[in-house]
Amino acid sequence: DTEVTQTPKHLVMGMTNKKSLKCEQHMGHRAMYWYKQKAKKPPELMFVYSYEKLSINESVPSRFSPECPNSSLLNLHLHALQPEDSALYLCASSQVVNRQASYNEQFFGPGTRLTVL
Amino acid sequence: SQQGEEDPQALSIQEGENATMNCSYKTSINNLQWYRQNSGRGLVHLILIRSNEREKHSGRLRVTLDTSKKSSSLLITASRAADTASYFCAIESSGTYKYIFGTGTRLKVLA
Repeated sequence: DTEVTQTPKHLVMGMTNKKSLKCEQHMGHRAMYWYKQKAKKPPELMFVYSYEKLSINESVPSRFSPECPNSSLLNLHLHALQPEDSALYLCASSQVVNRQASYNEQFFGPGTRLTVL
Repeated sequence: SQQGEEDPQALSIQEGENATMNCSYKTSINNLQWYRQNSGRGLVHLILIRSNEREKHSGRLRVTLDTSKKSSSLLITASRAADTASYFCAIESSGTYKYIFGTGTRLKVLA
């Protein structure tokens, strides 16, 4: 299974709502990532988890809260978002996050398109 | 900014022609990868080239890396309409465990 799945595919939420994005992979990858992508822009890294521990937080506002319950799952909890947070949220996984590793290909999910009203 | 810069921003070619896109960056890197993205969906990994490699091939793809010029190029030969997509380079800067994506090239292949 070389697939990263993300749910939901689309999400519309108000600024007072609390919602969660989910990501799952069964490739045995121990690194998982959240990216945010605005239209016609490149993906921007938000968080990196390595062995279920948060290793990189790219100064993301606290209204985004990541969680890695186990090595296969990655969540992104959303609360009190702003309309400018509307974007495509991409999850990815890779074999390792290690400078000695020679192969850090990232496998991406199809994304969740989020609209904040 | 560590972000890679790609050129051209957009490219339109006829089916069967070759497409070349370039990526330039500012930092020293561990490796550089190229990805394809169709219509705002997930990215598909195309090829990885390490900092000690100069050229790699995969099917119709050829990637070169010149670390002295801090640049890479992706060549797609004998293009097909199905190659229409956005193409991004992603660099892993030395000493980090993360990838920074370039600005992207939107390729359109006309049948």
